[in-house]
Amino acid sequence: SAVISQKPSRDICQRGTSLTIQCQVDSQVTMMFWYRQQPGQSLTLIATANQGSEATYESGFVIDKFPISRPNLTFSTLTVSNMSPEDSSIYLCSVADTSQETQYFGPGTRLLVL
Amino acid sequence: SQQGEEDPQALSIQEGENATMNCSYKTSINNLQWYRQNSGRGLVHLILIRSNEREKHSGRLRVTLDTSKKSSSLLITASRAADTASYFCATAPTDSWGKLQFGAGTQVVVTP
Repeated sequence: SAVISQKPSRDICQRGTSLTIQCQVDSQVTMMFWYRQQPGQSLTLIATANQGSEATYESGFVIDKFPISRPNLTFSTLTVSNMSPEDSSIYLCSVADTSQETQYFGPGTRLLVL
Repeated sequence: SQQGEEDPQALSIQEGENATMNCSYKTSINNLQWYRQNSGRGLVHLILIRSNEREKHSGRLRVTLDTSKKSSSLLITASRAADTASYFCATAPTDSWGKLQFGAGTQVVVTP
């Protein structure tokens, strides 16, 4: 299984500011995903990040609010822009294995917006 | 959006007992995966069952899948305090390759 790290592990931010979350994988992967988990809730897919192409966003998520970069096959960033308290969540990245079946998740970034 | 539902929402058992949780989903799937999450941390992958499989075992875990009823169950046998966590099922729909849709989760508390 892939080893995934995320930075920062947690942060407290002021409303109106932006935060960039990094996701690093120890092996090259084709597909990377970003999820949001709001307090006490399940996970919701934000977007799929593929190297060499624009990220694909799910309904309810837009690039202006959640810009994503995928500069190579081991790294991706998610930016949460112009934050409001409603953005307080855990943000998780995941990668699919070579069969693109099993997904492995990073430890998550816990974000609190005041 | 969430694919389906899990029940129960919460489960409290004693060490040594078995824990069973169920997951229902709505669309055709390639596979269904179960994850564990401890105290809002990252998700740990437990087991994957493909749509053409009916039962799978991994250690103390037993997963069943009934595609005709669009449901799955996860059984944890001989539970331990360390099994205390939230458990999520996630489906990989046939029309959305690679994208997982998560259930609401079951919070399991195992008391010594």
